[in-house]
Amino acid sequence: EIVLTQSPGTLSLSPGERATLSCRASQSVSSNYLAWYQQKPGQAPSLLIYGASSRATGIPDRFSGSGSGTDFTLTISRLEPEDFAVFYCQQYGSSPITFGQGTRLEIK
Amino acid sequence: QVQLQESGPGLVKPSGTLSLTCAVSGGSISSTNWWSWVRQPPGKGLEWIGEIYHIGNTNQNPSLKSRVTISVDKSKNHFSLQLRSVTAADTAVYYCARAGYCSGGSCYRFFDYWGQGTLVTVSS
Repeated sequence: EIVLTQSPGTLSLSPGERATLSCRASQSVSSNYLAWYQQKPGQAPSLLIYGASSRATGIPDRFSGSGSGTDFTLTISRLEPEDFAVFYCQQYGSSPITFGQGTRLEIK
Repeated sequence: QVQLQESGPGLVKPSGTLSLTCAVSGGSISSTNWWSWVRQPPGKGLEWIGEIYHIGNTNQNPSLKSRVTISVDKSKNHFSLQLRSVTAADTAVYYCARAGYCSGGSCYRFFDYWGQGTLVTVSS
């Protein structure tokens, strides 16, 4: 199975700053089938990005995804107070579907 | 707007069977989507359990495959999970989710709709 490693484990930033989250795969993700989710406390994950770089419906353009092969990045250009949460990457190019362990984005 | 709602017992005894149902509303379970179960132990990350297509095709995570059964009831527009021989390690919030869409022979299994999740505790 493909192991996804996210870094950093915790990212401390202030509103207005730029956030860069990394997701590295143990082998190439087929067709860049990589998604990103945001999870707030007590809530289900919510889809942000699919296909490595396509924003889901209703997601603001301050969220962007990039990368290919084994290295992927989620960038939040200017952090808003509501953006602070845990973020997960997920690959769906190979079975079994796997998730990264998560990056916690906290307010500095 | 598609909505998913998990239901089932919140407490299961060790060695017993965990049984959950996911009711789908606002859309048909017979659409070109796979339907999945994902779990999250308290304070930990997400683990995919398995999926089903409305014609009955299933896939499971090899780590759980021997204990998992996923089924679908098109007449009730819901799908179900059974996890046998549970231990405390199976304590988690269990989510049902819709996996993207299928088109042109390919399926894109990102999760665009999720249930709210239900906590299942394994304890005597």
